[in-house]
Amino acid sequence: QVQVVQSGAEVKKPGSSVKVSCKVSGATYSNYGFSWVRQAPGQGLEWMGRTIPILGVANYAPKFQGRVTIAADKSTSIPYMELSSLRSDDTAVYYCAIDRESVYHGMDVWGQGTTVTVSS
Amino acid sequence: DVQMTQSPSSLSASVGDRVTITCRASQSISNYVNWYQQKAGTAPKLLIYAGSSLQSGVPSRFSGSGSGTDFTLTISSLQPEDFATYSCQQSYITPFTFGPGTKVLIK
Repeated sequence: QVQVVQSGAEVKKPGSSVKVSCKVSGATYSNYGFSWVRQAPGQGLEWMGRTIPILGVANYAPKFQGRVTIAADKSTSIPYMELSSLRSDDTAVYYCAIDRESVYHGMDVWGQGTTVTVSS
Repeated sequence: DVQMTQSPSSLSASVGDRVTITCRASQSISNYVNWYQQKAGTAPKLLIYAGSSLQSGVPSRFSGSGSGTDFTLTISSLQPEDFATYSCQQSYITPFTFGPGTKVLIK
């Protein structure tokens, strides 16, 4: 059974960067699609981007282009999301969401979420 | 970007009720719509993919329909564990946008 564990909660200063990782067990996952979805307090879900580790390329939502990197670590193969130039409105829960078949089949495995708080 | 709207934004229903949630896309997206259920403090859970396909392990009281721009999620007989927020999402073209969610409350 596929299990996903994300890295722990972070508190960051405005202008800094945060890196959230997504550790997968129970499957060979290099051909899975890894999306990052965030949810600000009391708000809906927001898709940030997606990568397939074996392909080594990513698609990003225009809103985050230039500020986000979604990839897999070259040494550990663990997928991650790095967001830079943090602002207070980046305070949110960040989810790693996996589509094991394709985007057509939906994101069927989710991490537990990582709370990122941006505050001076 | 494809805009996804949902109605209603919230609804009150009783156990046993039939509940229908509507999702509309700002352009045609074939049947590239997925539905997620989210309970407070937990990650979303995939219910329906490709517009009408039931995800493995999801009870058959959940169903989806639609194609093009208009989609529906139906719960045939609401159960206590179904009180949650439901969101549609299009996976036709990036960015893969979500609807704002529909909160199903206990009447």
